Amino acid sequence: QQQVKQSPQSLIVQKGGISIINCAYENTAFDYFPWYQQFPGKGPALLIAIRPDVSEKKEGRFTISFNKSAKQFSLHIMDSQPGDSATYFCAASTGKGGSEKLVFGKGTKLTVNP
Amino acid sequence: NAGVMQNPRHLVRRRGQEARLRCSPMKGHSHVYWYRQLPEEGLKFMVYLQKENIIDESGMPKERFSAEFPKEGPSILRIQQVVRGDSAAYFCASSKSTGGFTEAFFGQGTRLTVV
Repeated sequence: QQQVKQSPQSLIVQKGGISIINCAYENTAFDYFPWYQQFPGKGPALLIAIRPDVSEKKEGRFTISFNKSAKQFSLHIMDSQPGDSATYFCAASTGKGGSEKLVFGKGTKLTVNP
Repeated sequence: NAGVMQNPRHLVRRRGQEARLRCSPMKGHSHVYWYRQLPEEGLKFMVYLQKENIIDESGMPKERFSAEFPKEGPSILRIQQVVRGDSAAYFCASSKSTGGFTEAFFGQGTRLTVV
């Protein structure tokens, strides 16, 4: 049973373009939604995260949009750069804290062409 | 301030051997999580530990896998009698606490290959 569904599986964007990755979840008890960036051979690194009490959060070129009623959230990367080429994972967790037992999507491999 | 340290980075074991993976959390962190990542897959939660306690092991296979986080020393994920299907990247993460919007920091992982 996959609790967090992520799409697309892979994405190719030109430099300067907008990259959009979508995730949908099933468990309405989830209360923390982070996005992680992973480069080959490295561990995941937190990029940006959101709680369900806000509909959007922006940090630099990265924005999370959150739709609680649709149980969906997305990552937008503005002005995409070749250095953004990596695998991106959405995740969700429940419980009192923000980082307990993260449930991950399957990942999106982003390639930004120069 | 060193990050989450995992060793070894790469581990090769023959079928039937034991694999021991180590994780030293970030300084000041008392919560440790282990995740497994299969090729082209996301990370799957295995176990959540605090010092000397297993808090949630709902993602651990019932047999051959065990984890500990002793009062002194690193957290250990132990896989007995490894099989080919255990080949994966195993990631450890640590956090200060679970209250509020707390970030989990990941190590670079241990790539286990069973031959």
